[in-house]
Amino acid sequence: GQSLEQPSEVTAVEGAIVQMNCTYQTSGFYGLSWYQQHDGGAPTFLSYNALDGLEETGRFSSFLSRSDSYGYLLLQELQMKDSASYFCAVENQGGKLIFGQGTELSVKP
Amino acid sequence: DTAVSQTPKYLVTQMGNDKSIKCEQNLGHDTMYWYKQDSKKFLKIMFSYNNKELIINETVPNRFSPKSPDKAHLNLHINSLELGDSAVYFCASSHPTGRETQYFGPGTRLLVL
Repeated sequence: GQSLEQPSEVTAVEGAIVQMNCTYQTSGFYGLSWYQQHDGGAPTFLSYNALDGLEETGRFSSFLSRSDSYGYLLLQELQMKDSASYFCAVENQGGKLIFGQGTELSVKP
Repeated sequence: DTAVSQTPKYLVTQMGNDKSIKCEQNLGHDTMYWYKQDSKKFLKIMFSYNNKELIINETVPNRFSPKSPDKAHLNLHINSLELGDSAVYFCASSHPTGRETQYFGPGTRLLVL
């Protein structure tokens, strides 16, 4: 079967660093994507890892280990506006993007 | 200058009715999608079209029928609406070789009473 697992919620304080994990099991694997969704908003693409290692884009970094079927999204210098749901997604052999259940991040002052 | 737009944004209707949601993208993408997001925020693909051709058709009741008049438009028609159809429906688009990077519309919040 195909499944992605993410913690349902994470709480952190402004200025801190937070890591949100994603483990996956899928038939065929091309890469791991991360999307952000604010309440009432649309999912917005953040990053993509096709190969092992760390990709950095400003305060956001995403990591992938294909051998462990594991990835994470790291947010640094947390801001209140980072409070949102974060979804990992895997593109499988059928060309479908399979989304995890999402991690709801709450940033406290 | 909206990239992916959907209409209507909100849709409240009675069980048994038929309704349509429209989607348009001006990004020049060849591939478009419909997703359903339930009350627990689970986002699941329903359909995907590439250049007007259906390429992904998930296990969706046949009351749902997508239609792509051209590669910039993908509409969703729903017949005989049921309570369980209440959800947020998102349209998205991407390049066919960049399916990992999808651009989502603002969503259509459907409530079936």
